Amino acid sequence: EIVLTQSPATLSLSPGERATLSCRASQSVSSYLAWYQQKPGQAPRLLIYDASNRATGIPARFSGSGSGTDFTLTISSLEPEDSAVYYCQQRSNWPMYTFGQGTKLEIK
Amino acid sequence: EVQLVESGGDFVQPGGSLRLSCAASGFTFSTYSMNWVRQAPGKGLEWLSYISTSSSVYYADSVKGRFTISRDNAKNSLYLQMDSLRDEDTAVYYCARDQLELRLDYWGQGTLVTVSS
Repeated sequence: EIVLTQSPATLSLSPGERATLSCRASQSVSSYLAWYQQKPGQAPRLLIYDASNRATGIPARFSGSGSGTDFTLTISSLEPEDSAVYYCQQRSNWPMYTFGQGTKLEIK
Repeated sequence: EVQLVESGGDFVQPGGSLRLSCAASGFTFSTYSMNWVRQAPGKGLEWLSYISTSSSVYYADSVKGRFTISRDNAKNSLYLQMDSLRDEDTAVYYCARDQLELRLDYWGQGTLVTVSS
């Protein structure tokens, strides 16, 4: 079973700063990795799929990179509304979806 | 506009049963596989169950033998029958649309299930 490990657990940054979130897989997942954003009291929202493709309606300040076992979600210039928990997800162990434990992003 | 609306969450005692529903609209429901995912209070996301367009079903080990996923394409609805509920099943339950067997592109708002004596 492939395990996803996200780091850091919590990130506290100011508006306008750049955020870099990491997701590491215990085995290669090729480029089949997705990122989700979950704001308090809301459902998760798909942000990035296939490691680097933005989902419909996602602002250009969100970008993803990586392949194999190491992936990064970058938010280029933070907005106050980017405060959320971010999860990575893979499905190499079909049909099971596996999620990372999440990174909480706080905007100061 | 794609919409998924869950219902059926409630307070139930351990050992009890509950049936969750997910009403889908804004897309051709019968052509998409669907999933249930839950989130315990203050915790991360846990995938529970998958149903294909042909109604093949799969479950996480944590719910296998206790939960049953089903769908009614005529009613554009997804269901989760939950039996033998335990305290640790307390969570918000989400239905989510499967995209290309790789990701979950739309999620409902969730329904809260509380299991407690």
